[in-house]
Amino acid sequence: EVQLVESGGGLVQPGGSLRLSCAASGFTLSSYAMTWVRQAPGKGLEWVSAFSGSGGGTYYADSVKGRFTISRDNSENTLYLQMNSLRAEDTAIYYCAKMYQQLVLNYMDVWGKGTTVTVSS
Amino acid sequence: DIVMTQSPDSLAVSLGERATINCKSSQSVLYYSNNKNYLAWYQQKPGQPPKLLISWASARESGVPDRFSGSGSGTDFTLTISSLQAEDVAIYYCQQYSGTPLTFGGGTKVEIK
Repeated sequence: EVQLVESGGGLVQPGGSLRLSCAASGFTLSSYAMTWVRQAPGKGLEWVSAFSGSGGGTYYADSVKGRFTISRDNSENTLYLQMNSLRAEDTAIYYCAKMYQQLVLNYMDVWGKGTTVTVSS
Repeated sequence: DIVMTQSPDSLAVSLGERATINCKSSQSVLYYSNNKNYLAWYQQKPGQPPKLLISWASARESGVPDRFSGSGSGTDFTLTISSLQAEDVAIYYCQQYSGTPLTFGGGTKVEIK
């Protein structure tokens, strides 16, 4: 069964850092593009970042560019999101999602349950 | 950036009746090279992650009931629930994947009248 399990969320002060993890099972992470999508409390979905399955290209929303870094560990079959210089507006549930194919220009066919990040003093 | 605009923001439909959700993109998401619309629909129930319903504007995901259908091309798209069931109460989102940043519509909340 294809499954994604996020972890690493929590409460952090403004300006702090967190690293989110997304453990994949049932498929080979490196064969697909992977993405992070967030949802602020009571709000809609916002795409955050993506990692191409082919060539390893990375893509970011302007709102997180320069602060967040997406990466993957093929040996662990795990996707990461390093979040630095966190702001209150980064407070959200962060979902990891598998994309249909290797290219980032794709839809998200499998989603994890999400991990909650709260940025507050 | 491609802006996705959904309408209405919410709608209440009687059980067994039709629900129609619209999604408009600020530029075409149709690739003429393969004649495909890079448009997906997701369903999100309370406390759950989104679930893919439809890709390529009209291709229903395996296991999705056939009362869900997607249509449209270019910049205008529609998700139709032909006969609303109680389990369809959710927020529905459209998403374009024709270019980065990938963008979602604001969502449409579907309730029972």
